[in-house]
Amino acid sequence: GDSVTQTEGQVALSEEDFLTIHCNYSASGYPALFWYVQYPGEGPQFLFRASRDKEKGSSRGFEATYDKGTTSFHLRKASVQESDSAVYYCALGAPGKLTFGDGTVLTVKP
Amino acid sequence: DMKVTQMPRYLIKRMGENVLLECGQDMSHETMYWYRQDPGLGLQLIYISYDVDSNSEGDIPKGYRVSRKKREHFSLILDSAKTNQTSVYFCASSPGQGADTEVFFGKGTRLTVV
Repeated sequence: GDSVTQTEGQVALSEEDFLTIHCNYSASGYPALFWYVQYPGEGPQFLFRASRDKEKGSSRGFEATYDKGTTSFHLRKASVQESDSAVYYCALGAPGKLTFGDGTVLTVKP
Repeated sequence: DMKVTQMPRYLIKRMGENVLLECGQDMSHETMYWYRQDPGLGLQLIYISYDVDSNSEGDIPKGYRVSRKKREHFSLILDSAKTNQTSVYFCASSPGQGADTEVFFGKGTRLTVV
């Protein structure tokens, strides 16, 4: 079945550091790929998506590029802020279903 | 204001009791979902509903059932709750039935079964 793997369970950075969270997927066909962010006490919120190879999704300074060759959709941000502290989920969209990775807890220290 | 609303936000039940979690959305979305979230396991799909009375099992449906009698309302029912159903439950909705649309989540219901 479809699956999403996030390599990092936790990431700790200082403000203005560069962020990378690795996401790899396994799926048949050509799924849509997403990043969601979850703040404490809230449900996950859509960050952005990409639907085809080499497409870049971006929002709020975060970005990721759909790479069908390496089956990856890594999240990057050039300079993180304390307010970016949250849980980040990579997800894969199949018809009628959204499959999530296990999530990465990002902590940014001032 | 596009919103998914879950009630109640917190619930404590005894083992063996019946549990009803309610969810509403104001966006006329066709598709609605129930997920549960446990530490280290991310979000797991329990049930998906494509419209009124059109429900399908997700990855972990055992011990749960759902009801959707109106497009804007989707309920999750636990008949005879078990302690391993202690979790945070999220309802969500999305337009159409496509695989590449944004999914909107509620704030969750934290259920404790003692």
